Amino acid sequence: DTGVSQDPRHKITKRGQNVTFRCDPISEHNRLYWYRQTLGQGPEFLTYFQNEAQLEKSRLLSDRFSAERPKGSFSTLEIQRTEQGDSAMYLCASLVTGNFGYNEQFFGPGTRLTVL
Amino acid sequence: GDSVTQMEGPVTLSEEAFLTINCTYTATGYPSLFWYVQYPGEGLQLLLKATKADDKGSNKGFEATYRKETTSFHLEKGSVQVSDSAVYFCAKGNQGGKLIFGQGTELSVKP
Repeated sequence: DTGVSQDPRHKITKRGQNVTFRCDPISEHNRLYWYRQTLGQGPEFLTYFQNEAQLEKSRLLSDRFSAERPKGSFSTLEIQRTEQGDSAMYLCASLVTGNFGYNEQFFGPGTRLTVL
Repeated sequence: GDSVTQMEGPVTLSEEAFLTINCTYTATGYPSLFWYVQYPGEGLQLLLKATKADDKGSNKGFEATYRKETTSFHLEKGSVQVSDSAVYFCAKGNQGGKLIFGQGTELSVKP
């Protein structure tokens, strides 16, 4: 078990460019979550998947954001026409449902995006 | 709407001091409650949890009790160490398993 991994760890881009982040959850974890964390704040929910189905999207997820999980394993989060306000840490988490009681969410190390 | 409010930091304590970090949440149903910790340069880690009223979560000397009547889940530790220096996040579970986080409280423990 290698944990949740995210790539890249850091991304610097110019305003207006598109960026894509990848998250590899713990294998066999059927749920995958994306959060955004700005400096000095707690993570904010963006969206989540159960297998390949995207079940919920936050109002924070504007039309410029899109997330996919095509085969129910890894996920990508794309931001089009980046803005300086998109600068944040993007966190991915995964869990497996079906166990009796609470199912712990495991977080990846995050991708830090800086938009110049 | 759904929210979690925790005391503002930074909190600075001397080693072996008593720690309390307050956390309250909006009461929609009976959510699970969590404390996560983020050590410098590391990712979020689950510190402890409680899934129903009056449950006490505990780990590494930290404790928190799910208080339904006051909608609170305060984090406590009797004797903090320098290695406890980190940012602590209170969170509640929501529909679909998503987490609603507080803004975080930075703890700095001095030797």
